[in-house]
Amino acid sequence: NAGVTQTPKFRILKIGQSMTLQCAQDMNHNYMYWYRQDPGMGLKLIYYSVGAGITDKGEVPNGYNVSRSTTEDFPLRLELAAPSQTSVYFCASRREGQIYEQYFGPGTRLTVT
Amino acid sequence: AQSVTQPDIHITVSEGASLELRCNYSYGATPYLFWYVQSPGQGLQLLLKYFSGDTLVQGIKGFEAEFKRSQSSFNLRKPSVHWSDAAEYFCAVAERDSSYKLIFGSGTRLLVRP
Repeated sequence: NAGVTQTPKFRILKIGQSMTLQCAQDMNHNYMYWYRQDPGMGLKLIYYSVGAGITDKGEVPNGYNVSRSTTEDFPLRLELAAPSQTSVYFCASRREGQIYEQYFGPGTRLTVT
Repeated sequence: AQSVTQPDIHITVSEGASLELRCNYSYGATPYLFWYVQSPGQGLQLLLKYFSGDTLVQGIKGFEAEFKRSQSSFNLRKPSVHWSDAAEYFCAVAERDSSYKLIFGSGTRLLVRP
């Protein structure tokens, strides 16, 4: 199993540009999450999904959109990039059920200038 | 609101010395608690987790943590630190709603002196 994969690893965007961060998992997990990690901070939840076709906002959703058309994929869309979105983005997934942990991807480092 | 506090931003220990990283949580019910480690430029790896039962839990890489309900703490320990343990450590609590999302502390960066 590849686990949770994320592309790209690094990206530099200009202010106002758009991009999609890709996330995929091959563990047949229902739950998927997007977090951002700012320097010196813990991770904050942007959006999550409890299954294909179902998404919901997390703590910091403004400026982002998500979709979940398949169990495997959970892309994160930035429509109008702003410097405040410079961060490291992590995707995670977990099995359904109370006692299971989240598995994390390697992250995407995004810089908006 | 649920929260996790890691009071130490940085900790420096000598190789071979013991380690304790502090974590305090605020949660109304019995918490589901986790410790993750993040090596430089890497994603997060689960060290250990607590759901119920024995309050002393063993994890990977020789780490253990003890859940103390009376102190709302879940401190991470290791008896003898190795240079490869230098990393950032995050404590987290899982929401016990339909999302099971994680609430993270701000992390503790561990530096290991040779």
